[in-house]
Amino acid sequence: EVQLVESGGGLVQPGGSLRLSCAASGFTFSSYWMIWVRQAPGKGLEWVANIKQDGSAQYYVDSVKRRFTISRDNAKNSLFLQMNSLRDEDTAIYYCVRWAYSSGRYYVDYWGQGTLVTVSS
Amino acid sequence: DIQMTQSPSSLSASVGDRVTFTCRASQSIDNYLNWYQQKPGKAPKLLIYAASTLLSGVPSRFSGSGSGTDFTLTITNLQPEDFATYHCQQSYIIPQTFGQGTKLEIK
Repeated sequence: EVQLVESGGGLVQPGGSLRLSCAASGFTFSSYWMIWVRQAPGKGLEWVANIKQDGSAQYYVDSVKRRFTISRDNAKNSLFLQMNSLRDEDTAIYYCVRWAYSSGRYYVDYWGQGTLVTVSS
Repeated sequence: DIQMTQSPSSLSASVGDRVTFTCRASQSIDNYLNWYQQKPGKAPKLLIYAASTLLSGVPSRFSGSGSGTDFTLTITNLQPEDFATYHCQQSYIIPQTFGQGTKLEIK
């Protein structure tokens, strides 16, 4: 059974840092692109960052570039999101998701339960 | 970035109704369009990918169509468990942007 379990969320002051982790199990982690998606309270979904299977490529939404870093440890089946210089608008539930490929198309097929990040003074 | 616009933002309907949601892309995305269902307090779930391909196990009352910039998700014979928020996402180009969601409420 595929499982994605996030941890590391919490309350942090503006300008602070947090490191989110995602423990993956039930599939060959190193074979998949992985993504962080966030959802601000009462808002829609926002793609934040993704990382290639071997970690050789990462992409970020403009609003988090140079502040967030996505990384992975395939030996430990883990995905990370280092978040620095946090702002009020980064407050959201952060989901670790698997980016699957089938029939020539990509989609998110598994989601973690999410971890809440609250940026507030 | 490709902007995804969903309409309406919310919709009220009754059990047994047929409803249609729209998702529009700011540029052509061929059929690189996914639909997700999200219930309160839960993570989203994939319903449809490639605009019209139902994920295995998704009831046949759900259907998707469209190509290019305009897409629709239709639910026929609404069931109580279908009341949720529906999100579209383009997978044509990074960043793989989402729409803002359409909330389907019970009338």
